[in-house]
Amino acid sequence: QQQVKQSPQSLIVQKGGIPIINCAYENTAFDYFPWYQQFPGKGPALLIAIRPDVSEKKEGRFTISFNKSAKQFSLHIMDSQPGDSATYFCAARRSGETSGSRLTFGEGTQLTVNP
Amino acid sequence: DAGITQSPRHKVTETGTPVTLRCHQTENHRYMYWYRQDPGHGLRLIHYSYGVKDTDKGEVSDGYSVSRSKTEDFLLTLESATSSQTSVYFCAISESRRTYEYFGPGTRLTVT
Repeated sequence: QQQVKQSPQSLIVQKGGIPIINCAYENTAFDYFPWYQQFPGKGPALLIAIRPDVSEKKEGRFTISFNKSAKQFSLHIMDSQPGDSATYFCAARRSGETSGSRLTFGEGTQLTVNP
Repeated sequence: DAGITQSPRHKVTETGTPVTLRCHQTENHRYMYWYRQDPGHGLRLIHYSYGVKDTDKGEVSDGYSVSRSKTEDFLLTLESATSSQTSVYFCAISESRRTYEYFGPGTRLTVT
């Protein structure tokens, strides 16, 4: 079962636009929410992450907004650039795990930023 | 890719043949993971290891087995490959259960 739902599947914006990718989760035991960025032919790379005790986190042009009551979180990319064109994955990790991080991933969003 | 290599990077095999994928790390991290990536499914955990000879199943473990005889190596074996196992396989490592996972470059496996 897919415990993390991600939307949209694909997204096209113009340079300078602010793409927004949304994720919703079901399991209230999740306690860590990372976003990964993946370029073609490469493995996913950690982009930014948030814990549920804060509502927003910014790192450079990337911002995560977190709504614990709605069980939703989203990634915003400010002043998007063609180099941001990649596939983005949200993920969630359950607390209380004794063996490994056990990330659950969303389905991914393919972002294209046109020049 | 954080000191993670995967081999082979590409493989084409026939249905019914055994296949072993290797993940090697130079970070001395305790945890290692195998994921598969398929369109529309994101990444799904196959198996993971929390130490030498300590492994456990993930979300999609049927048809796969793993072994870890050394800290640096984690092997994924498809005992009898099927077309449904055509996928891109990623190895990942983490230092502890509460730190980030770092991913390798992936292995593209095609089962014909």
